[in-house]
Amino acid sequence: GAVVSQHPSRVICKSGTSVKIECRSLDFQATTMFWYRQFPKQSLMLMATSNEGSKATYEQGVEKDKFLINHASLTLSTLTVTSAHPEDSSFYICSAAVGGSYNSPLHFGNGTRLTVT
Amino acid sequence: QQQVKQSPQSLIVQKGGISIINCAYENTAFDYFPWYQQFPGKGPALLIAIRPDVSEKKEGRFTISFNKSAKQFSLHIMDSQPGDSATYFCAASKAAGNKLTFGGGTRVLVKP
Repeated sequence: GAVVSQHPSRVICKSGTSVKIECRSLDFQATTMFWYRQFPKQSLMLMATSNEGSKATYEQGVEKDKFLINHASLTLSTLTVTSAHPEDSSFYICSAAVGGSYNSPLHFGNGTRLTVT
Repeated sequence: QQQVKQSPQSLIVQKGGISIINCAYENTAFDYFPWYQQFPGKGPALLIAIRPDVSEKKEGRFTISFNKSAKQFSLHIMDSQPGDSATYFCAASKAAGNKLTFGGGTRVLVKP
């Protein structure tokens, strides 16, 4: 079945530094990928929609200059958390559908646990 | 505005029992309703999904019931097992591959 892979699974960084998270579709091409954030014991909140070859679409309240998204190929989207602060500590999860098809469900990666100290 | 409301927040059930989780949505443009299972430290995994043109869908021990007029849908887990202990999320979208709006989640604990 469709597999979405994220890297790294865990990252600890110091306040003020930037962190890049990769999301890959391993056995399919994804023109669209979605980035979610999940705080402990809470639900998943959509941050942005990543579109291959074009600018990402951000949800209301998400700072696009802080959360940089690049979708340079049909199998890779990256999320860079710039100038990270402790409040950015969260579980970041990406998802994608096979070819963005209407009938294909979203598959999620295993997430990246970001801890900012 | 919470577009998908989920209840209960937590649920304890004995092994072999039935777990029932309910969701209600507001946006009538939603036409795809999946359920995801999430274990600690992992991403959500798709369990089962339904579209509004059917009222019920069953896959193994998991059944979705859908009431379009009430804008409600529910997940039934039959013969619950300790391995089913996880957090379950309902969700909704305007298409299967489109962005999902999630409910708040239900933590299910199945006691042996």
